[in-house]
Amino acid sequence: AQSVAQPEDQVNVAEGNPLTVKCTYSVSGNPYLFWYVQYPNRGLQFLLKYITGDNLVKGSYGFEAEFNKSQTSFHLKKPSALVSDSALYFCAVRDGGDDKIIFGKGTRLHILP
Amino acid sequence: DAGVTQSPTHLIKTRGQQVTLRCSPKSGHDTVSWYQQALGQGPQFIFQYYEEEERQRGNFPDRFSGHQFPNYSSELNVNALLLGDSALYLCASSTQGYQPQHFGDGTRLSIL
Repeated sequence: AQSVAQPEDQVNVAEGNPLTVKCTYSVSGNPYLFWYVQYPNRGLQFLLKYITGDNLVKGSYGFEAEFNKSQTSFHLKKPSALVSDSALYFCAVRDGGDDKIIFGKGTRLHILP
Repeated sequence: DAGVTQSPTHLIKTRGQQVTLRCSPKSGHDTVSWYQQALGQGPQFIFQYYEEEERQRGNFPDRFSGHQFPNYSSELNVNALLLGDSALYLCASSTQGYQPQHFGDGTRLSIL
């Protein structure tokens, strides 16, 4: 069965510093990976996806993620954090032959001014 | 271009009651998925509808049922409500294939 792990409940980063939010996954087939962000009392907003191709994926708001097949990881990164990046971030995976998407439990990102 | 809209935004029910939540997908989308997000947790997949049929179901009891209409809008019905059903219910729409899902802002359901 597919699963997603986000090992950190919270990540604190100073504004202007690079940030990384970690995600590892487990699937039986080809993985399709996503990152979403959730602001208070809102739904999830799509940031980026990996389907196939280049291992470095660029997305919205300056975020990027690196797909590493050998480590089964898909970490979210940004070179320079903004206070407005503070939110709840979810990694999600879809197994190639499946319709459902499995979400991690989320990582709360705090950007300190 | 309207995104995914859900109604109502908030709902309070008591144990044993029944509830219906509604979702209108983003224009051009034909697939609707429903998720339950408990406090402090990630969304959990309930089921997905395409061509008015349930395509796949997560690990939820039969008390959770749904429907998709010809205009692609969808309803989630929950019978015999339990305290544990209190959560944010999210609707997401997409097209077929490996496209990202677009989420509504959810319905906050509280069971007293």
